Order: sequence, then C-alpha cells, then structure tokens
Amino acid sequence: TQLLEQSPQFLSIQEGENLTVYCNSSSVFSSLQWYRQEPGEGPVLLVTVVTGGEVKKLKRLTFQFGDARKDSSLHITAAQPGDTGLYLCVFTGNQFYFGTGTSLTVIP
Amino acid sequence: DAGVIQSPRHEVTEMGQEVTLRCKPISGHNSLFWYRQTMMRGLELLIYFNNNVPIDDSGMPEDRFSAKMPNASFSTLKIQPSEPRDSAVYFCASSPLGRLNTEAFFGQGTRLTVV
Repeated sequence: TQLLEQSPQFLSIQEGENLTVYCNSSSVFSSLQWYRQEPGEGPVLLVTVVTGGEVKKLKRLTFQFGDARKDSSLHITAAQPGDTGLYLCVFTGNQFYFGTGTSLTVIP
Repeated sequence: DAGVIQSPRHEVTEMGQEVTLRCKPISGHNSLFWYRQTMMRGLELLIYFNNNVPIDDSGMPEDRFSAKMPNASFSTLKIQPSEPRDSAVYFCASSPLGRLNTEAFFGQGTRLTVV
C-alpha cells in the first residue's frame, strides 16, 4: 500500500485553466514536500510545508497543508505549457517516501 | 557544484548482458538513493546508502541487481544478467539527510533499454 495517494493520476487541460491536485494519507506527517519532474529530467523540489493549515505560494502555484497534517493540495492558476510535468508529494522520514504522482499536461 | 551526475544518460543492451550505471553525488551529502521509474510502477526506491553504508536494499528486485558505494563520491548499480523487464529510467539522488526538511537532489537519470 502507498503511504501517499495522489489524485488525479492524469490531468490534461487547456492553457489558462485552473487545476488542483491532491495528496492524501491516513498518516500524520511533520512536513510534506512537493516536487515537479519535467520530461527527461529528475524531480526538483518546489516547496516544503511544515505547519498544519499552512499555505505557501510560488508564483501561480499555491500549496496547502491540511489542518490535521494528513493531506496536502497544489493549486495552479492559469496553467501554462511550462507547468507540464509529473507532480509528486513526498514525506521525508529516514528516507524519501514518494507519492503516486499526478501527470499534468497543459495544452497550448 | 554540478549537481548529481549520472552516466551514461542512455544505455541500450542485449538481454543477458551486464549493465553498470554510475552516480556521483553532491559533495558533502551523506545519503545516496537509487530509484527506478516506469509508467506502470512510478518511482520505486531500490536501495539507499547513508555514509557509504547500505541501509535499506529491500527494494532491489532480485539477486541480479547489486549496488556499491566504495567512497563518498561514487556509487554503482549493476544488473547482471539484464532482462527486457529491467528497461526503465534509473535515477540516483543524494541528500544531506538528517537535516530538518532536507531535500533530495536528483541526477538526470539513465534510460536503460534491454532488447
């Protein structure tokens, strides 16, 4: 069983649309991270959320950590083709536990 | 620092041949991870090292896979003999694990095709 379940698994949208992807677990985490993996590259860290209810913004990306610290969401406003990639939520324990991933395609 | 360096970027080999993938972690990082990524199974942890010592190799598929880290600046993942089902992208990552809210730094991966 996966520690971190992400939804949706695949998402294809038109440029300019908004979207939200989710990361859920039955476990409580001290922090969660979000990575983005562009085609042909390795994953790269976008953000770390630490406090329950915390909201962090990175330009058009908004990350939220659930109040109970069991889940997180990523909202993208006015998606652009450059946002295309695989989005992964990650828990850091004695190693990095990666979620199942959301593959996003933004069509020009 | 140049980041995590993996070689080769692409490898095509015939079934039964030995394949060796190489990784140079970021200097000063105490942890190194080998992952395999496929469409079907996503990103899977194969093995990780801490201070050059293998800590968890439960993700290594079978005896055909082996990994070594002879020193802090080099690691190898070997597959012998290789099989078509080993075709995947293999990533190496390093991290200063143990620091608060640390980050995994990935190489660009090795795309392995076994025919």
